[in-house]
Amino acid sequence: GEDVEQSLFLSVREGDSSVINCTYTDSSSTYLYWYKQEPGAGLQLLTYIFSNMDMKQDQRLTVLLNKKDKHLSLRIADTQTGDSAIYFCAPARGRGKLIFGQGTTLQVKP
Amino acid sequence: DTAVSQTPKYLVTQMGNDKSIKCEQNLGHDTMYWYKQDSKKFLKIMFSYNNKELIINETVPNRFSPKSPDKAHLNLHINSLELGDSAVYFCASSLRDQKNIQYFGAGTRLSVL
Repeated sequence: GEDVEQSLFLSVREGDSSVINCTYTDSSSTYLYWYKQEPGAGLQLLTYIFSNMDMKQDQRLTVLLNKKDKHLSLRIADTQTGDSAIYFCAPARGRGKLIFGQGTTLQVKP
Repeated sequence: DTAVSQTPKYLVTQMGNDKSIKCEQNLGHDTMYWYKQDSKKFLKIMFSYNNKELIINETVPNRFSPKSPDKAHLNLHINSLELGDSAVYFCASSLRDQKNIQYFGAGTRLSVL
């Protein structure tokens, strides 16, 4: 299977919370990142979590890490139309190598 | 004052041609990367240079040759372009510390006809 798996698509209404899930295979990742890609643009770092943490909160973003299940999630509170984009989780391997999956396309309906 | 800049943004060319994509970063980082994003949005690392030294070289055809003249630049040269090379290529850079946060350029969309 793939090293990183995410659902391909998520649709929410403006103002709701969005939860994007990610499973990965490499348990040795020390840092795990979330990136956002808007149409026609590069990847923008949203947040990251160190592997010895269970949770990290950063304004509207909450990251949960379950190392035992190799599961990472990103919760966006009060989702806005400007949050519509593709979201990638990216666990880091050695020498700075980030492992990406296909990303989750988040559609926010007004 | 763009942090990681790539040129060109779009590149349309014929099969068999040779082309280059340039990348420059002004963040003072010591590590640079090339990634390829295919039509299904999979993003995969190709190469990484740290202080002009190649440190990651994934299974990439040897038609692809990265060149790093200095820490702020990492160019990608592609020989004998094939249809399957059509993709978006992203350059990124980071400071090789514990967090190693990577900053990405806007991408170069390569179309091989």
